[in-house]
Amino acid sequence: GDSVTQMEGPVTLSEEAFLTINCTYTATGYPSLFWYVQYPGEGLQLLLKATKADDKGSNKGFEATYRKETTSFHLEKGSVQVSDSAVYFCALTGGFKTIFGAGTRLFVKA
Amino acid sequence: DTAVSQTPKYLVTQMGNDKSIKCEQNLGHDTMYWYKQDSKKFLKIMFSYNNKELIINETVPNRFSPKSPDKAHLNLHINSLELGDSAVYFCASSLKGGVNTEAFFGQGTRLTVV
Repeated sequence: GDSVTQMEGPVTLSEEAFLTINCTYTATGYPSLFWYVQYPGEGLQLLLKATKADDKGSNKGFEATYRKETTSFHLEKGSVQVSDSAVYFCALTGGFKTIFGAGTRLFVKA
Repeated sequence: DTAVSQTPKYLVTQMGNDKSIKCEQNLGHDTMYWYKQDSKKFLKIMFSYNNKELIINETVPNRFSPKSPDKAHLNLHINSLELGDSAVYFCASSLKGGVNTEAFFGQGTRLTVV
């Protein structure tokens, strides 16, 4: 079945460091890919999405490119802030459900 | 206006009790979901409803019974609560249950069974 694998955390960075969180997927067909973010005590919010191969999703300085050849959708940000500390989930839609990766917790130190 | 709202936000109850969590969305979406998030933050789908019809039941115990009186509401009733049911339960909705549609999540209900 469809699945999403993302790097384990936690990831700890200093403010203004470069962030990469790896995500790969297996799926039949052509899923849409998403990154969601969960701040402490809150529900998940959509961060960005890409609906077809080579699409780049971007929001709030975060970017991810849908790579069909490597089945990847890695999340990047050039300069993280303390306020980016959260749990990040890579996900894909397949039929009537969204399948999530295990989540990667990010800590950003001032 | 909250797009997807679920109540209560916190629920503490004893083993063996029966409890319900309510969810409502005002987005006009066709599809609603229940997800369970464990202590390690892993999210697993439990149920998916499309226009009040059950589409997905991911091998959830029979003690969990969703009910969708209309497509804006999806409630979750849990019988005979067990310690292992302690988790955060998220309701979500999407425009259509297919590709290209992101899910909108409620704030979660933290269930603690003691």
